[in-house]
Amino acid sequence: NAGVTQTPKFQVLKTGQSMTLQCAQDMNHEYMSWYRQDPGMGLRLIHYSVGAGITDQGEVPNGYNVSRSTTEDFPLRLLSAAPSQTSVYFCASSYFRTGGSPLHFGNGTRLTVT
Amino acid sequence: KNEVEQSPQNLTAQEGEFITINCSYSVGISALHWLQQHPGGGIVSLFMLSSGKKKHGRLIATINIQEKHSSLHITASHPRDSAVYICAVERTSGSRLTFGEGTQLTVNP
Repeated sequence: NAGVTQTPKFQVLKTGQSMTLQCAQDMNHEYMSWYRQDPGMGLRLIHYSVGAGITDQGEVPNGYNVSRSTTEDFPLRLLSAAPSQTSVYFCASSYFRTGGSPLHFGNGTRLTVT
Repeated sequence: KNEVEQSPQNLTAQEGEFITINCSYSVGISALHWLQQHPGGGIVSLFMLSSGKKKHGRLIATINIQEKHSSLHITASHPRDSAVYICAVERTSGSRLTFGEGTQLTVNP
C-alpha cells in the first residue's frame, strides 16, 4: 500500500492564481481531511469528507473548495490564491469516526503565495 | 482558551532522560491521538487511545478521562526522538479533530 499520497511537495503561486492539491489513499478509508499548519498554531481543519459524495467545512474553509467523487481521491482547490494561504498543507485519512482507527497523513505540501 | 493545551511548548533533554509531555482538553472526547512530526515535516500516528494506557517500545501513552488529561512518556530518550509531538482529540460529537499546538522536543547526545 502506498498510504496517503499528496502532491505536489512544493508550490509557489502568484496572488490570484488557482491550483489543485492532490490527495489519494489506497486504504479504502471513508474519512479524508485537509489541514493547514501555520507557525505557532496547531493543525487546523479546512474541509473534510466522510465518504464519496459527502464533504463538509472545517474551521478555516474560506478560499478553498473540495470534492469527493471517489473513495480514493480528495483534491483541495484554491480558486484565487492569496498570501494568507501561504502555509503547509496536509491531507489525512482514516476509517470513519476514527475511534479505533489511527490517522494516516500525506507528506505535506509547502505552498507559498507571493 | 484553546480546547487542547499541551505542555511544555519546548523541551530539551539529555540522551537517556525520561520525558513527559502533557495534554489537557476541555471537550468531551471519544478518542485522543498522539502524533509525531519529524524535522522533515512528515506526521505519523503514535497512539490512539480512549482509556487507560498503551505502550509501544520506549513510548507510553496514558489518558485519564475524568481529569481530561493525557501524557506521553518517552523512556531512555535518544536524539532520534527529537521531533514535534502533537496531541489531537476526537470529539464525541461530529467527525472533527482538534489539535494542540505541539511540543518541540530536542534530545541532545
